[in-house]
Amino acid sequence: KNEVEQSPQNLTAQEGEFITINCSYSVGISALHWLQQHPGGGIVSLFMLSSGKKKHGRLIATINIQEKHSSLHITASHPRDSAVYICAALISSGSARQLTFGSGTQLTVLP
Amino acid sequence: DADVTQTPRNRITKTGKRIMLECSQTKGHDRMYWYRQDPGLGLRLIYYSFDVKDINKGEISDGYSVSRQAQAKFSLSLESAIPNQTALYFCATSDGARGLAENNEQFFGPGTRLTVL
Repeated sequence: KNEVEQSPQNLTAQEGEFITINCSYSVGISALHWLQQHPGGGIVSLFMLSSGKKKHGRLIATINIQEKHSSLHITASHPRDSAVYICAALISSGSARQLTFGSGTQLTVLP
Repeated sequence: DADVTQTPRNRITKTGKRIMLECSQTKGHDRMYWYRQDPGLGLRLIYYSFDVKDINKGEISDGYSVSRQAQAKFSLSLESAIPNQTALYFCATSDGARGLAENNEQFFGPGTRLTVL
């Protein structure tokens, strides 16, 4: 079983819809990283959060440390939001902290 | 200019050849990472370095080696490439200063698509 699981694996939405992508993890973490991978392959950092909620434009990320769960929300979705969204858990391993990645959620927003 | 750059962006090579992928960063970060991405799998850590004198193996280091030539440069080598090393390779950096976990936010290069025939 993967330590970090995302759902859904694939999501298709109509332009303007509110979108939620979920991330669950099975171990204790220090923080949770949300990333966006563009169709061309490039990866962009969206959020790194250890508690509560963060907002940037139409993107909102929340985390519940006790429930081992994080969500990424996109309001008023647009076709340019189409991408793979990846969550990664920052896990302590010895003296280092490493990211363990989920396998990603492919989002397609139709016009 | 991009903060994290990788060269080459695409490479096709043959089994048994030695390949070097290079990564440079202008973010002033101490920590650098090499990952590979395969279809349907999450990013997996190959090697990481927390400073010039610190090199650590990641989850899948077999068949790879690295060199941290300077704070800004971290290269990945495949000594004798094999077809199952065909993948998308990413370099990343982070500040990682002691204290806030959120200082571990990672910033990625554009990726190198490597094909081993």
